[in-house]
Amino acid sequence: EVQLVESGGGLVQPGRSLRLSCAASGFSFGDYAMNWFRQAPGKGLEWVGFIRSKAYGGTTEYAASVKGRFTISRDDYRRIAYLQMSGLRTEDTAVYFCGRPYSTTLFHAFRFWGQGTLVTVSS
Amino acid sequence: QSVLTQPPSASGTPGQRVTISCSGSSSNIGSNTVNWYQQLPGTAPKLLIYSNDQRPSGVPDRFSGSKSGTSASLAISGLQSEDEADYYCAAWDDSLNGPVFGGGTKLTVL
Repeated sequence: EVQLVESGGGLVQPGRSLRLSCAASGFSFGDYAMNWFRQAPGKGLEWVGFIRSKAYGGTTEYAASVKGRFTISRDDYRRIAYLQMSGLRTEDTAVYFCGRPYSTTLFHAFRFWGQGTLVTVSS
Repeated sequence: QSVLTQPPSASGTPGQRVTISCSGSSSNIGSNTVNWYQQLPGTAPKLLIYSNDQRPSGVPDRFSGSKSGTSASLAISGLQSEDEADYYCAAWDDSLNGPVFGGGTKLTVL
């Protein structure tokens, strides 16, 4: 059974940093791109970014709203994807989800999601 | 302001058929396939339709999707109370090099 479990959320002051983790099980983690999404309170879904599998260079892409402030990385041995967030702003307050594509080729349909972790940016 | 445009709300009575529209542009829906997600309150999104009209295993055939040009739609037939949820369309955007979502449609079963 595929499982994704996010952790690391919490209350953080504006301008500070926070690292989220997404622990994966039940599939060959290294074969898949891993994505991060967020949902501000009462708002819709927003894609944050993703990291490709090593087979595709392990490179990353980010939404314009977080580019230069957020960094996604992966540890295939530990089966964990990370979202390092720096220079946090109040508008980054959201539930953050990690997501796995449907398949290694159908890379932008997200079949599996974690339960989410809440990040609150406030002084 | 979401890249894809959905109506903010939709409603229907049990047993009815409802449709939810999703409008985009040539850089997203016009050149890539559309996916639909269902999100119940307080839960993670669930993939409902992928590649315009395909259902993952476990999704009832009451749910169907279609795409034409730069628009797509989700249809739910035989509406049930448990279908009350938020529905999001999504597609890859070639200009943004990432997936984009609609703003979501809140479906109410009257």
